[in-house]
Amino acid sequence: GEDVEQSLFLSVREGDSSVINCTYTDSSSTYLYWYKQEPGAGLQLLTYIFSNMDMKQDQRLTVLLNKKDKHLSLRIADTQTGDSAIYFCAEWGPGRRALTFGSGTRLQVQP
Amino acid sequence: KAGVTQTPRYLIKTRGQQVTLSCSPISGHRSVSWYQQTPGQGLQFLFEYFSETQRNKGNFPGRFSGRQFSNSRSEMNVSTLELGDSALYLCASSLMGEETQYFGPGTRLLVL
Repeated sequence: GEDVEQSLFLSVREGDSSVINCTYTDSSSTYLYWYKQEPGAGLQLLTYIFSNMDMKQDQRLTVLLNKKDKHLSLRIADTQTGDSAIYFCAEWGPGRRALTFGSGTRLQVQP
Repeated sequence: KAGVTQTPRYLIKTRGQQVTLSCSPISGHRSVSWYQQTPGQGLQFLFEYFSETQRNKGNFPGRFSGRQFSNSRSEMNVSTLELGDSALYLCASSLMGEETQYFGPGTRLLVL
């Protein structure tokens, strides 16, 4: 079945770059997403990438996709304390017609 | 454009009761999906509605049901509540279902 895996925790210093990694198993995934969740809140869409792309840049965010290895990463440049949150990787499976989420990576930004 | 709204934001119920949660999608969006988030199981897909029809369903018992109205607003119902139903219930909307899903703030349900 479909599975999405992420590391649980990442700690960085303010101003550094953060890289959050994700692996997925469904080769038919068409879109891959990154969502951000702050305490007590819902999911905020950060960015997404279509499966035929290998990179997408959006201001401080860079998404890299290695479709051969089914590996997705999110790089946040110049990480700020306001970036502290849980980041979820998700893949859209056209057969399943639903998002499958990873377990989330908690990003802690230290001043 | 207003985002996805969910009501109520918080609910406390006791075992055996039933509960109804409401979701209003982004204006113009016709697909509404529901997800359950728990510390143990993470984010899991419940079901998706489009044009008042359930188009897809996750692996949840029949106690979980939903519906969608002609204005695309959706409700989900959980009957005979169990302690394990305590969770954050998230609603997401998209234009037709295949596009990017935008999430609401969620309804936090506590079952005592």
